[in-house]
Amino acid sequence: QKEVEQNSGPLSVPEGAIASLNCTYSDRGSQSFFWYRQYSGKSPELIMFIYSNGDKEDGRFTAQLNKASQYVSLLIRDSQPSDSATYLCAVRTGGGNKLTFGTGTQLKVEL
Amino acid sequence: GAVVSQHPSWVICKSGTSVKIECRSLDFQATTMFWYRQFPKQSLMLMATSNEGSKATYEQGVEKDKFLINHASLTLSTLTVTSAHPEDSSFYICSARDFVATGVSSDNSPLHFGNGTRLTVT
Repeated sequence: QKEVEQNSGPLSVPEGAIASLNCTYSDRGSQSFFWYRQYSGKSPELIMFIYSNGDKEDGRFTAQLNKASQYVSLLIRDSQPSDSATYLCAVRTGGGNKLTFGTGTQLKVEL
Repeated sequence: GAVVSQHPSWVICKSGTSVKIECRSLDFQATTMFWYRQFPKQSLMLMATSNEGSKATYEQGVEKDKFLINHASLTLSTLTVTSAHPEDSSFYICSARDFVATGVSSDNSPLHFGNGTRLTVT
């Protein structure tokens, strides 16, 4: 079982819709969770981080964490074509300070 | 926000030569930097953790004699790919944490990435 799992997609949503991206992780002791956006050929850029169960909102983005289910998600409201990218879920696992990344979900926002 | 600068952004070299990649934290001090590698259509894989003033910590399967890391100051880490081969062609990305800017003074603070270096070995 992979430590951090994401559906590779592509996930296609129409412009203006809500995009829902999901991520599961295997280490129940994981403490912190991050969502990064990566455009093709570019390095990842941080969108949000979440540490506590529940929802965290920042503009059009909402991160949701459920530690009991070992599940973290990212909702993008009012999706725009510029949101088209690969979204990487990252989890701080174990007792160290490194992040483990999922393989990413490709999002396509269509006009 | 925290800025991590990486240089060069791309490099083409011949097989057998060495390539040095620099990673700088521009507006904060980074005692620890992380080097990742990303092959096409794959996720980021941590190669090593660079520690200022001490030896780097390498992940399993990463050859420390091939990927030399030096972290001589609080704002600069370098990765040297020695005797590069075509299979080393990849996207190399460094990252660091800015504890102060995020207000989270622990390893829970997020990573900020450099722009990456695309290495092509011919």
